[in-house]
Amino acid sequence: QQQVKQSPQSLIVQKGGISIINCAYENTAFDYFPWYQQFPGKGPALLIAIRPDVSEKKEGRFTISFNKSAKQFSLHIMDSQPGDSATYFCAASIDSGGSNYKLTFGKGTLLTVNP
Amino acid sequence: DTGVSQDPRHKITKRGQNVTFRCDPISEHNRLYWYRQTLGQGPEFLTYFQNEAQLEKSRLLSDRFSAERPKGSFSTLEIQRTEQGDSAMYLCASSLGTGSEETQYFGPGTRLLVL
Repeated sequence: QQQVKQSPQSLIVQKGGISIINCAYENTAFDYFPWYQQFPGKGPALLIAIRPDVSEKKEGRFTISFNKSAKQFSLHIMDSQPGDSATYFCAASIDSGGSNYKLTFGKGTLLTVNP
Repeated sequence: DTGVSQDPRHKITKRGQNVTFRCDPISEHNRLYWYRQTLGQGPEFLTYFQNEAQLEKSRLLSDRFSAERPKGSFSTLEIQRTEQGDSAMYLCASSLGTGSEETQYFGPGTRLLVL
């Protein structure tokens, strides 16, 4: 059972364009939704995260939009740059109640930003 | 560098051999996680420690796998009688575990190839 579904699998955008990656989750107990960025040969690095009490969070060029009723959240990368080319993972965890906060990841989106 | 470190970065072994990986978390992080990542997939949770106590193990962690975290500091993950299906990137992550700050910081991973 895939609890976090991510799309698209790959994405190509031009420099300066907007990259949009979508995720949907099934477990309504999830209450913490981070996005990780991973470069080849490296471990994932936290990019931005959101909790379900807000519908949007923005940090620089990166924005998370969250729709609790639809159980969906998305990452928007504005003014995409070639240096943003990486694999992006959405994830979810149960972040309260003494749980172990283990992350459930989507399958990833390979983003390529052409110069 | 005060990030999560893992050793070795790469390991090639023959089927049936035992291997051991080490993870050094960020100092003072009391939570430590092991994940496994196969090609084209997101990381999958394997096991979790709070200090020295191993509190949860995934069903992915067969009895050939064992993990320890003596004294709540570094952790080791051992795979006995390796199989080709064990080939993957093994990622370690740590978090501060204060309840309000549960960001997981990942190491660079150990890439295992079983021949």
